[in-house]
Amino acid sequence: QPVLTQPPSSSASPGESARLTCTLPSDINVGSYNIYWYQQKPGSPPRYLLYYYSDSDKGQGSGVPSRFSGSKDASANTGILLISGLQSEDEADYYCMIWPSNTVVFGGGTKLTVL
Amino acid sequence: QVTLKESGPVLVKPTETLTLTCTVSGFSLSNARMGVSWIRQPPGKALEWLAHIFSNDEKSYSTSLKSRLTISKDTSKSQVVLTMTNMGPVDTATYYCARILTIPYYMDVWGKGTTVTVSS
Repeated sequence: QPVLTQPPSSSASPGESARLTCTLPSDINVGSYNIYWYQQKPGSPPRYLLYYYSDSDKGQGSGVPSRFSGSKDASANTGILLISGLQSEDEADYYCMIWPSNTVVFGGGTKLTVL
Repeated sequence: QVTLKESGPVLVKPTETLTLTCTVSGFSLSNARMGVSWIRQPPGKALEWLAHIFSNDEKSYSTSLKSRLTISKDTSKSQVVLTMTNMGPVDTATYYCARILTIPYYMDVWGKGTTVTVSS
């Protein structure tokens, strides 16, 4: 199964934006997949945030604020989660996911610290 | 309200078989647009998908664990069961079940998880 690469950690200050990345292996084209994002806080199960395929094909999880958004960087074969207007409650682990060939692959997760 | 609840042993011995049950409510396992996944998370580590099953009994397994896993469902009981054979210390983890919605395919609602420790 493919490996999705996420930076282990990221940090930003309240009110700023955080850009979390999820890089696919070179033999898998990010343009061919929905990229899903989950948020997990300590002691809790993951919470579904959103998916992004294209600007015309994307979806937000129920109750997820619009300051969470997705995009792709095709040149870097990367999915991106952008969190704008960071709040202290956004401090959490974030996981990306893809669904290739009826299997599921998660990234290694990024721990986001809100300074 | 959609809920999923995992149940099973807290402690298993090495080489034993683990049996976990996911009991769902608020939706039916016969719903053509839905399925259930099992995912685990070792302490301090990332999520790892294990298996899933759909209403038509279509199943899929993690390539690396396929030989050890079996997933099944009992629609009348609203339960999905996962068995994992030959448990070892590296299988110590929190095990989650989650509902799958289709088109697009993703897990939208997760159970709270059940922690399994493998130790003699």
